Parts: sequence; structure tokens; C-alpha cells
Amino acid sequence: EAEVAQSPRYKITEKSQAVAFWCDPISGHATLYWYRQILGQGPELLVQFQDESVVDDSQLPKDRFSAERLKGVDSTLKIQPAELGDSAMYLCASSWTVDTQYFGPGTRLTVL
Amino acid sequence: SQQGEEDPQALSIQEGENATMNCSYKTSINNLQWYRQNSGRGLVHLILIRSNEREKHSGRLRVTLDTSKKSSSLLITASRAADTASYFCATAFTGGGNKLTFGTGTQLKVEL
Repeated sequence: EAEVAQSPRYKITEKSQAVAFWCDPISGHATLYWYRQILGQGPELLVQFQDESVVDDSQLPKDRFSAERLKGVDSTLKIQPAELGDSAMYLCASSWTVDTQYFGPGTRLTVL
Repeated sequence: SQQGEEDPQALSIQEGENATMNCSYKTSINNLQWYRQNSGRGLVHLILIRSNEREKHSGRLRVTLDTSKKSSSLLITASRAADTASYFCATAFTGGGNKLTFGTGTQLKVEL
């Protein structure tokens, strides 16, 4: 069964450093989402792509976060510089229809 | 901000018992979805119920939706230890396309 791939699974970094996360959605899924999940809370949408275009990035802290999906397939989320409050699980999801989203395993980020 | 609020925050039951989780939301929705998350992993889609539906079944899962009360419930019958996980409701609000807003989650523990 096709799955959403994410790497790395775990990342430890020091504050003020740059970090990047990668996501490869299920083949054929035009819509890709990046979520941030703080421990003990539900995921919150950071950015949504339709093919290579950003549909919604209203909750993305644009002073330090950036996301791209250049060829409309895989995507990269970057944080520069990382802050202590960025410690969280970063989840990628993709969908073919407007309904079900399929999630990857996530990247657990710890900022020291 | 998270639209859905789940109740209870935590639930502990014995294997074989039924588990009921509730979700309340604030605005008009197109559909409501339930997801499961095992500790430290990604989310898995369980079931979707549309705004014009009142009840839906899938295996041991039963979901109800009351749009007049802006609430939903998830019932897991004959629970198993493998059902131990966090359960999140997510709403696709009217006019929001396929953007999902997740609740705070219910932590379910099923003991042998």
C-alpha cells in the first residue's frame, strides 16, 4: 500500500540553526499539507499545496518558515533560524480527493 | 486555533468494553472526520461523515453527527488493547475547501 514518506524521522538541533524536512506524497496526490503538532495537541495546518501552488499558508510563520513544492511532487519545509518553541512533530499529508488525508510518520524536531 | 474540542481528554477502559468519545465544533461544516494516532506516529484516517448524514458505521466504529448541536461522537465497540491510541476529530468547515481543523484529541487506553 502506498504511503507518504518523510525524512528525517528525528532531528535535534540547536536554536538559531537551520533545519529542513522532506516529504514525498503518495503518487498522484495533487494536494500536499504540512502540519505542526505540539505535544498533547492536535495537528495545526502550516501550509497547503495544490500541485506546485500554495493554497493556504495563513498559519505559516513566514519570517522563519518556508515551504516549497517545485515540481508539484515532493516538498521541503525549512525553518531558519530554529527557536526553542519550534520543538514539535512536523507531519506531512497528501490527498487525491477533498476528503481523506493520508499522513506520513512525521519528523520529531527537538530544538536545544 | 483549533476548532474541535474533544471530551474526555483521557479515557481508560478494560478490553471488551465500549469506548465513546465526543467532539464539539464551532462553525458550519462540510464533513467531520475521525483520525487515530499511535504514540509518536502519524495519523490514520478512520471514518468520514458528511454534514447531511447522521450516523455511519465502519467495522467496530460508529460515528454520529448532530449538526444542530455542532457535535459528533465516536463509539468503538468491543475494544482491544490495539485500540490504545489518541483519537482526533477534524472538521472541514464550510467555505474552507478541504482544509481540516483538528481537535485536541482523546487519549484512549485499553487495558487487558
